[in-house]
Amino acid sequence: DAGITQSPRYKITETGRQVTLMCHQTWSHSYMFWYRQDLGHGLRLIYYSAAADITDKGEVPDGYVVSRSKTENFPLTLESATRSQTSVYFCASSGRYGAHEQYFGPGTRLTVT
Amino acid sequence: QQPVQSPQAVILREGEDAVINCSSSKALYSVHWYRQKHGEAPIFLMILLKGGEQKGHDKISASFNEKKQQSSLYLTASQLSYSGTYFCGTEPFNAGGTSYGKLTFGQGTILTVHP
Repeated sequence: DAGITQSPRYKITETGRQVTLMCHQTWSHSYMFWYRQDLGHGLRLIYYSAAADITDKGEVPDGYVVSRSKTENFPLTLESATRSQTSVYFCASSGRYGAHEQYFGPGTRLTVT
Repeated sequence: QQPVQSPQAVILREGEDAVINCSSSKALYSVHWYRQKHGEAPIFLMILLKGGEQKGHDKISASFNEKKQQSSLYLTASQLSYSGTYFCGTEPFNAGGTSYGKLTFGQGTILTVHP
């Protein structure tokens, strides 16, 4: 299907385990973003990518790692999951440089026990 | 620093109007508005750039006061479909004077429209 997809949609993992959340978009958008959403905090930017092999930290990057070897994929890895990383994670993409609309994926609900 | 949205929640009857405000302590390059329904992804509404412009989208419009670093979202003649949480996302000016699309979102305003 065309658009932006995330997998898995739901994930339960244990503290200390490594988890990778996948994000795939079919628009060939250059810009991609990872956000987490928690009650009381709204959406917070974790990492950002302007193109393949170009990534930068956002507001809350600690404990997360990203890579972008291909334009269409932007995986987010929690190297050693903690309970504080229980959240809903949204991936987004934007086709043009700068202040343009971001298209959000459906989200991944992650629970760390 | 996170922009501040007000009010935190609004309850309306169909056909009534509402205003949602977004204030930042930083000089802003742009303000984005999104709406999110429960359990769904945020959906883009509009972007306002520096220059105090006002934009409209059907019966939803917004303004950006560059001097005050404030944006307001206006919903007129509200419909049931307007219910959801509204977020503003702000991007400050950076040293290069360019935009990278790195947004800081407010806490959200919950809008409920009743028949």
